[in-house]
Parts: sequence; structure tokens; C-alpha cells
Amino acid sequence: NAGVTQTPKFQVLKTGQSMTLQCAQDMNHNSMYWYRQDPGMGLRLIYYSASEGTTDKGEVPNGYNVSRLNKREFSLRLESAAPSQTSVYFCASSPGQGKLGYTFGSGTRLTVV
Amino acid sequence: GNSVTQMEGPVTLSEEAFLTINCTYTATGYPSLFWYVQYPGEGLQLLLKATKADDKGSNKGFEATYRKETTSFHLEKGSVQVSDSAVYFCALSDPNSKLTFGKGITLSVRP
Repeated sequence: NAGVTQTPKFQVLKTGQSMTLQCAQDMNHNSMYWYRQDPGMGLRLIYYSASEGTTDKGEVPNGYNVSRLNKREFSLRLESAAPSQTSVYFCASSPGQGKLGYTFGSGTRLTVV
Repeated sequence: GNSVTQMEGPVTLSEEAFLTINCTYTATGYPSLFWYVQYPGEGLQLLLKATKADDKGSNKGFEATYRKETTSFHLEKGSVQVSDSAVYFCALSDPNSKLTFGKGITLSVRP
């Protein structure tokens, strides 16, 4: 099925470890996004890529880096994981026009111990 | 900046009850408005949208009308089912297509 694919679905890290969350979309969308979801906080934008070759900080970028590898793929990297980064991470994509909304992946549940 | 305010939750209803979830927004210009739904353990799915004032979005028995005069986009359903139990997010999109979300509200429907 067409859509947004995230890997892995679950991950447990120790404090200080690094990891990369992968995201790929097959809808030829221009824009891609990374959000984190925490209880009582809703969704908060970490980074986004309006088009291939560009990335910008969102609301909560500290402790994260991103790479827009090509039009399909947008990865999120935690260089030195902290317990405060325990969260559910969602990747999303959109054609880049405001009226069309986003398509979301199914999420990565990350626990940092 | 843009912001979305949703009513506080959680909300618990009996099956076949009427549902209203309030959403108000602050934005410059003319945003598009959305409702997303998140079922347990899943990502967000687009439920409905409206792109200009007085538009009504509808899907799966849910409706919401874009009210520019009251800056609102309240979600309604005439008769909820147990399968509607989920988290509901109101959101708006700026012209650059970045979405701003409300905090979400959990709906539980009892048989």
C-alpha cells in the first residue's frame, strides 16, 4: 500500500547511545516532517523538509539531526539519547500545498533508559 | 503565530450519544482546517478537512464546519459507536503547508 513507512516500530536505547529513525514515502510528496508525541503535549514538530535538499528546525529540534537523503527518504538521528527523548515519533509527508494535509506513518515507540 | 485550542478531555460517551468536540484557532490569513483521528497503537489519519470559510467537511458520519466569524471548527457526530473510540486532533495549515495541531482529546465510547 502507498504511504509512509517508518522503521523500526519499537526501540529501547541506553542513555548516550545513538540511533537513526528511518522514514520513506512513495507518494512523490515534496515535504516531509518529524513529530514527537508525548502525553498531554500533543504533537510537536522536531524538523521538517519543505523540499528535497532543504531542512529546517521545528519547535523542539534540540538533540536531533535530520537528513533528507532524497525525495523519498527523511531520517531522524539521535546522537546521544537522553531519557527526555522517550516518546513516540511520527514521520509525515505532504505534497507541499496547504490544503491537502499530511499522510502519517505508524510511528516509532522509543524508550531511553 | 498560529495556534489551535481544543476542549479539555477525556470524553466518555455511551453508544449512540451525540458528540461535539470543540476546536478554535488563531491564524493570520485563510488557513485550511483539519480533523485527524488516531486509533490505539496507530498513526494519525485524516478524518475530514475544510479549505475555506463556510465549507463543511464530512466523513464516516463526522462533520465540521469552517466558521471564520467565530474562528472555530467543531467536530460533531450524531450517533457515536464503540469503534469511534480514539484520540482526535484539530489542526490548521498555513500557506506553506506546515500543520499546527491542538493537544488532542481522547474519546471513549461505552457499549
